Amino acid sequence: EAGVVQSPRYKIIEKKQPVAFWCNPISGHNTLYWYRQNLGQGPELLIRYENEEAVDDSQLPKDRFSAERLKGVDSTLKIQPAELGDSAVYLCASSLGGLSGRDTQYFGPGTRLTVL
Amino acid sequence: GQQLNQSPQSMFIQEGEDVSMNCTSSSIFNTWLWYKQDPGEGPVLLIALYKAGELTSNGRLTAQFGITRKDSFLNISASIPSDVGIYFCAGRSGSEKLVFGKGTKLTVNP
Repeated sequence: EAGVVQSPRYKIIEKKQPVAFWCNPISGHNTLYWYRQNLGQGPELLIRYENEEAVDDSQLPKDRFSAERLKGVDSTLKIQPAELGDSAVYLCASSLGGLSGRDTQYFGPGTRLTVL
Repeated sequence: GQQLNQSPQSMFIQEGEDVSMNCTSSSIFNTWLWYKQDPGEGPVLLIALYKAGELTSNGRLTAQFGITRKDSFLNISASIPSDVGIYFCAGRSGSEKLVFGKGTKLTVNP
């Protein structure tokens, strides 16, 4: 079974440019997460989707970040315009969903963004 | 954002030695998770703990959910070179978001 797929794996851009990341979750997983991982830190949640609905986007900097999950499958995360401080690894994760509290998240390999 | 206190930050050990790392939180959690992250990859779940006092093993790895529900530890016995990587703890209260520690970087010398 294929895991979470992310692309691109690496992206280098100049500040003020736009950038987009794409995520394809594990088939059948209703919940999708975007995390940001700064160097030397653990992942921090940016946004969580239940199917196509964003149910937790409290940590998403909405002035420059946007995300969508059309049709409740693939998702894109966009930054426009990018700033130097946005350099980080952006991780996508997916899970089956549900309220059991035992919902396991599976992570993709991440996109490493460098803003110059 | 909120993070757990994970220690030590890094460890340098010889192959065959045992390893212990831990996480503490000011908040009570209902779930404790331990992940490993290799360079250029996403975190991979090693062990999940759902009950205070629970002790769970996965091969050479053993983790415990603290009685106070504010801490957890991970032990690795008889370390091998492929244990190298960054180990993260993560906690969750109910249906709240996962909160991750800053990681413990493990180096194993052959």
